[in-house]
Amino acid sequence: QKEVEQNSGPLSVPEGAIASLNCTYSDRGSQSFFWYRQYSGKSPELIMFIYSNGDKEDGRFTAQLNKASQYVSLLIRDSQPSDSATYLCAVIRDNQGGKLIFGQGTELSVKP
Amino acid sequence: KAGVTQTPRYLIKTRGQQVTLSCSPISGHRSVSWYQQTPGQGLQFLFEYFSETQRNKGNFPGRFSGRQFSNSRSEMNVSTLELGDSALYLCASSLDTYGYTFGSGTRLTVV
Repeated sequence: QKEVEQNSGPLSVPEGAIASLNCTYSDRGSQSFFWYRQYSGKSPELIMFIYSNGDKEDGRFTAQLNKASQYVSLLIRDSQPSDSATYLCAVIRDNQGGKLIFGQGTELSVKP
Repeated sequence: KAGVTQTPRYLIKTRGQQVTLSCSPISGHRSVSWYQQTPGQGLQFLFEYFSETQRNKGNFPGRFSGRQFSNSRSEMNVSTLELGDSALYLCASSLDTYGYTFGSGTRLTVV
């Protein structure tokens, strides 16, 4: 079992819809959780981080964390074609700051 | 504010050679970590340096090494290159544990 798992997709949603991206992790000692966006041929760009149970909102993006279920998700409201990219979930274990453990990424396609 | 700068952007090397990649972090960031990205394995952690000390290490062979200088700039070295080392090498810098900013990467091709 991989430490961080994501559906590889592709996930296709129409423009204006909500895109829901999911991630599970296996190490209960994980303490910080990140969502990165990576456009083809570019480097990952940090969208959000979350470390407490519950929701965290930033503009059209909402990250949700449930440590009991070892589950973190990213919701993108009012999806735009420019949101089409690969979304990477990453975690940091307790006492291992600086070591991001990434999932394989979910490819999102937003259709006009 | 300047971002994370990686040089060179592209490299082509021959099997058996060695290579050194450079990373200049965002000013004030003392943590620099390195990752390898390939289509098959995704993004994998190589190592992390903080104040010139290696703080974390991934599961890569000893051919992969790194160091950090007093100005926080970091280099990674790969010796005895293999075809499988062809990848995008990314470095990320951070001020704390909540924001890791990546550079544009170095695309290494081993022929």
